[in-house]
Amino acid sequence: SAVISQKPSRDICQRGTSLTIQCQVDSQVTMMFWYRQQPGQSLTLIATANQGSEATYESGFVIDKFPISRPNLTFSTLTVSNMSPEDSSIYLCSVVGGGTNEKLFFGSGTQLSVL
Amino acid sequence: QKEVEQNSGPLSVPEGAIASLNCTYSDRGSQSFFWYRQYSGKSPELIMFIYSNGDKEDGRFTAQLNKASQYVSLLIRDSQPSDSATYLCAVDRNEDYKLSFGAGTTVTVRA
Repeated sequence: SAVISQKPSRDICQRGTSLTIQCQVDSQVTMMFWYRQQPGQSLTLIATANQGSEATYESGFVIDKFPISRPNLTFSTLTVSNMSPEDSSIYLCSVVGGGTNEKLFFGSGTQLSVL
Repeated sequence: QKEVEQNSGPLSVPEGAIASLNCTYSDRGSQSFFWYRQYSGKSPELIMFIYSNGDKEDGRFTAQLNKASQYVSLLIRDSQPSDSATYLCAVDRNEDYKLSFGAGTTVTVRA
């Protein structure tokens, strides 16, 4: 499976500020997603990061709050804008990989706390 | 009704016993099913996937799928303390890799 690195691994931010999370994959991947895991809850898909075009957002998530870039097939960023304490979560980058039998794999995650 | 439901646990089993985890899903047309293991403070790790009705075994893990009952389970045989984690059931409803996850079952294996 691909090696998926995220930066930062954790951060503590003040409300009203923004944080950009980076996701780097060691090989080219077609499909890349961003998930959120709120405290004590399961994973929720935020959006699909599309290479060279605007991201596709799931219900309840909007571009103004979670702008996403994907300039190439190995890199993406997720920005959490105008943060509030409710944005405190783990944010996970995920990619489809595994050769002929492709599956969804997750990056190391970014633990975000908003004060 | 939630798309994917799991027993929340926690599930406590003695070392060497079988841990049985259950998951139901709402979309009858779903075709692909996954089990992820998540250690505390870590990201989810894929441990099993199953597409066809019946059992699929991989080492100490067995996944079971019954599409008629919309039910998928995970058995962990000869449970070890290192199996202590939260296990997430995930369903790919539309074969587009956009997985729907259950809330997870926390398993504790007692030494």
